[in-house]
Amino acid sequence: DAGITQSPRHKVTETGTPVTLRCHQTENHRYMYWYRQDPGHGLRLIHYSYGVKDTDKGEVSDGYSVSRSKTEDFLLTLESATSSQTSVYFCAISEVRVSSYEQYFGPGTRLTVT
Amino acid sequence: QQQVKQSPQSLIVQKGGISIINCAYENTAFDYFPWYQQFPGKGPALLIAIRPDVSEKKEGRFTISFNKSAKQFSLHIMDSQPGDSATYFCAASRGSNYQLIWGAGTKLIIKP
Repeated sequence: DAGITQSPRHKVTETGTPVTLRCHQTENHRYMYWYRQDPGHGLRLIHYSYGVKDTDKGEVSDGYSVSRSKTEDFLLTLESATSSQTSVYFCAISEVRVSSYEQYFGPGTRLTVT
Repeated sequence: QQQVKQSPQSLIVQKGGISIINCAYENTAFDYFPWYQQFPGKGPALLIAIRPDVSEKKEGRFTISFNKSAKQFSLHIMDSQPGDSATYFCAASRGSNYQLIWGAGTKLIIKP
C-alpha cells in the first residue's frame, strides 16, 4: 500500500460524536487526499493537501475538516458525525511527476455512524 | 462538465474473453486518464493511464483506447482471467490542481 497507513481501520460511532481519522505516509509525498467511497458513487474527494498547513476543499467537504501539521500525517475530522457519513474512507498520496499524477491509496477506514 | 460517466455498472465475462469498460467525459481540459483496479477490502491501485496525445496504450493484457473527438476512453482486458475479477474505475484529471474526477465504477466478474 505504498507506505500509507490509515487508523483506525474500522470504527462504529454514534450520531453527534466527533470522529478523527488518521492517514500516515512514509513516502514524503507532497500531496495527500481524503476520499469517501459509496456504492454507485465511485470515489468522491473530501479534502486534499498540497503541503504542510496547505489544504483545500473537494466536492463533498461539508461536515468535514482536515489538518496537516506534518508532511507525513493528514487528519480528517467529522465534527459531529451523521448517518450520511457512514462510508469507507480512503487516503491517497501523490507526488506529481512530469508525466503523471499517480495516486496511491491506503487500505481504507470503514466508518459506521449509528 | 466535471463528470466522468462510466459504463456498464457490472459485467460478466467468460474466462479467456475480452472485457470492455467505457468512460465518457465532457471537460476538454482533462489531460490525464487513468484506470484503477480495486479488490474487495483494498484501496484502488493504478492499472494503466493515458494522455490525450495518443490513441492507444497497451500494457500486457490491458489496453486503453482513447477517442479525443468523441471524448471517450475505454479499458480492454484481453484473455480475461478469474484473477481480474475486481471493480474498475476510470478517472480524469486536469493539470492545474492534480485532482482526479472518478467514474462510478464497474464490477467485473470473470467466470471460469
